[in-house]
Amino acid sequence: AQSVTQLDSHVSVSEGTPVLLRCNYSSSYSPSLFWYVQHPNKGLQLLLKYTSAATLVKGINGFEAEFKKSETSFHLTKPSAHMSDAAEYFCVVHSGTYKYIFGTGTRLKVLA
Amino acid sequence: EPEVTQTPSHQVTQMGQEVILRCVPISNHLYFYWYRQILGQKVEFLVSFYNNEISEKSEIFDDQFSVERPDGSNFTLKIRSTKLEDSAMYFCASSPSGTSGLYTGELFFGEGSRLTVL
Repeated sequence: AQSVTQLDSHVSVSEGTPVLLRCNYSSSYSPSLFWYVQHPNKGLQLLLKYTSAATLVKGINGFEAEFKKSETSFHLTKPSAHMSDAAEYFCVVHSGTYKYIFGTGTRLKVLA
Repeated sequence: EPEVTQTPSHQVTQMGQEVILRCVPISNHLYFYWYRQILGQKVEFLVSFYNNEISEKSEIFDDQFSVERPDGSNFTLKIRSTKLEDSAMYFCASSPSGTSGLYTGELFFGEGSRLTVL
């Protein structure tokens, strides 16, 4: 069975400071992992994905994530937060079935 | 850039009424999905669809739900007799290949249809 846990439901950072959104997964097989972002009243946009190539994955808007198999983690980072990063972020795991499993989401707040 | 489009963006209906949510997947994609997100909760898988049949469905997808690809472009979700708890954002998604097996890429999501049941 596969599952994903986002460790923080809310994260607040000041503009210009680093962002860390944590995600741990559980999967019986080698998973594919994704981060999606949802801005208010908008759809789900792919930020980045890991599909068993390089463990450090670069995405859009300066975001990165590192796949760590030993820790079963796929944390999302950004060196410097921008006001426009304020949104809900979802970690998603997929391994072998038709459905993708979403985490419960982390709401990122960026303070001026 | 090709995208998944959904209509309506927002629908308000009375409890017990039938609702049809429509989606136009990306044109060369073969697999289609519906997910839903109840306000403040996680995004949940409802159903996947390939070759004119359901390939997988969740326990949420009971007899009141059905999906159809009535023509070459549309993919619809019908809720036969809506309940208050069906109020949610419904997301359609598509992928070029099936997510069971070799395809390891992302799903492409639409912007969602917000359903409000009164």
